[in-house]
Amino acid sequence: QKEVEQNSGPLSVPEGAIASLNCTYSDRGSQSFFWYRQYSGKSPELIMFIYSNGDKEDGRFTAQLNKASQYVSLLIRDSQPSDSATYLCAVNRDDKIIFGKGTRLHILP
Amino acid sequence: KAGVTQTPRYLIKTRGQQVTLSCSPISGHRSVSWYQQTPGQGLQFLFEYFSETQRNKGNFPGRFSGRQFSNSRSEMNVSTLELGDSALYLCASSASQGFPNYGYTFGSGTRLTVV
Repeated sequence: QKEVEQNSGPLSVPEGAIASLNCTYSDRGSQSFFWYRQYSGKSPELIMFIYSNGDKEDGRFTAQLNKASQYVSLLIRDSQPSDSATYLCAVNRDDKIIFGKGTRLHILP
Repeated sequence: KAGVTQTPRYLIKTRGQQVTLSCSPISGHRSVSWYQQTPGQGLQFLFEYFSETQRNKGNFPGRFSGRQFSNSRSEMNVSTLELGDSALYLCASSASQGFPNYGYTFGSGTRLTVV
């Protein structure tokens, strides 16, 4: 079983709609959880981190964590064409951050 | 505040050669991690250094090695290059140690092509 799993996509979402990105992880000892955005040809940039069960909101982004189900999600409200990118889910345990392969998101104008 | 600086940005090497990549973390960051990114495998963890000590290592052969200096700058070395080593090598730095971890800041990467 892969440590961090994401649907590779592409996920196509109309402009202005909510984009929902999902991620599952295998190690119950994982402590911190991250969402990164990576534009084509660029390096990943951190969008949000979360380490407590529940929701965490930052502008148009909401991260959701359910440790019992080993599930992390990212919601992007009012999706914009500039949100088109690959979104990487990552989990941390013991000072090592493991990344999923990412979900390609395409916002349709 | 300067970001994470990686040099060189691009590199072309021949099979069998060795290569050294450099990373300067954000000032004050003592943790440096290295990743290999390929289209098929995504971001794969190579190793992580903190205060000149390697704390974690990924599942890569011994041809991949690294080190960290007292000023937190880090280098990684790949010996006896293979075609499959062609990838984007990313360095990331972090200020936090232990839990909670507030995430990494990545450099722009070094694009290595082995021919």
